[in-house]
Amino acid sequence: AQSVTQLGSHVSVSEGALVLLRCNYSSSVPPYLFWYVQYPNQGLQLLLKYTSAATLVKGINGFEAEFKKSETSFHLTKPSAHMSDAAEYFCAVRRNNRLAFGKGNQVVVIP
Amino acid sequence: EPEVTQTPSHQVTQMGQEVILRCVPISNHLYFYWYRQILGQKVEFLVSFYNNEISEKSEIFDDQFSVERPDGSNFTLKIRSTKLEDSAMYFCASEGDSRGKGTEAFFGQGTRLTVV
Repeated sequence: AQSVTQLGSHVSVSEGALVLLRCNYSSSVPPYLFWYVQYPNQGLQLLLKYTSAATLVKGINGFEAEFKKSETSFHLTKPSAHMSDAAEYFCAVRRNNRLAFGKGNQVVVIP
Repeated sequence: EPEVTQTPSHQVTQMGQEVILRCVPISNHLYFYWYRQILGQKVEFLVSFYNNEISEKSEIFDDQFSVERPDGSNFTLKIRSTKLEDSAMYFCASEGDSRGKGTEAFFGQGTRLTVV
């Protein structure tokens, strides 16, 4: 079964510092992978997606993720955190008709 | 920009009551989904719907739940007799058109259901 693992429910990062959120997946077939962001009191917004094209995927708001098959990873990064990046971030893998989400990372940006 | 809209944004209901959560998917989309997120837990798949029938459902989606596309624009989730543990944020999503399913599901803002 396809699933994703996100470690560390809360992540604190200083404003201007690197944001790194880890996601590892398990999949028996080449996966479709996604990162979603949820701002307070809002829905899920797609940040970026991997669909078997380029392994380095660029998304909105300066985020990017790299698909590494050898490590079964799809980590999300942003070079410089901004206060507006405070949100919850979910990694997800496509499994037939459904998305399977990780537990999420709550990102806190420290001024 | 087209978006998925959900109403109401927040619903409070008494245990045992029926609730209907409403969603208007993006107009040309053909694949529809409901997910839920219990506070502090991961987002969980409930059901997918295509061509006026359920295409997949999770173990959560028992006989208390039903979905319907009553007209050309709405997609509803009904919980027949709510339980306390049904309290959660419910998300509707849609994707795909006549060319195929696509690769990105678009989510609504969610309905927060509180069962008291």
